[in-house]
Amino acid sequence: GNSVTQMEGPVTLSEEAFLTINCTYTATGYPSLFWYVQYPGEGLQLLLKATKADDKGSNKGFEATYRKETTSFHLEKGSVQVSDSAVYFCALIPFNDYKLSFGAGTTVTVRA
Amino acid sequence: NAGVMQNPRHLVRRRGQEARLRCSPMKGHSHVYWYRQLPEEGLKFMVYLQKENIIDESGMPKERFSAEFPKEGPSILRIQQVVRGDSAAYFCASSRGTPDTDTQYFGPGTRLTVL
Repeated sequence: GNSVTQMEGPVTLSEEAFLTINCTYTATGYPSLFWYVQYPGEGLQLLLKATKADDKGSNKGFEATYRKETTSFHLEKGSVQVSDSAVYFCALIPFNDYKLSFGAGTTVTVRA
Repeated sequence: NAGVMQNPRHLVRRRGQEARLRCSPMKGHSHVYWYRQLPEEGLKFMVYLQKENIIDESGMPKERFSAEFPKEGPSILRIQQVVRGDSAAYFCASSRGTPDTDTQYFGPGTRLTVL
């Protein structure tokens, strides 16, 4: 079946630190990969996505590269801010499908 | 352009009551999806609807749960005779076209608490 495994949290960082959240997946074929972010009290927002191998998604200083050989889609940001405190979800949609499969989420707290 | 709207944002029900959750998709979107987020877990797919049609309800519990997306008005997720295990956040998403090509945009969710 299709599944997403992401690094367990919580993660606590100081402002301007480097953030990486690991995400690996299991899927048949070539899925599309996503990172969603959930700020406190809000719904999920699409942060970035990649639809084929070696694609790099980027937004708001965050990046993730679709690595087929390692079935990974790790999220990175070079210098985090307090406003990046949120829960981050890695997700996939299998090829020719419509059901998003989510990881359990990683809570990130950035301290000033 | 308003995003996906869900109401109520918070809903409290006693065991045995009914819960009705509403979702208005983004303008121009005709595909609606419902997901459930149990505490400490990621979201799980429940059902996919287009106007007046249920396309896939494979993630819905077999009993007590139903969903509709009428020609006019919002999509409704209905839970009859709620139990404590139904307490969760329920998220609706919508897309313009089929989600293998179009991004799903999520609403703020309805947090259901069953006492």
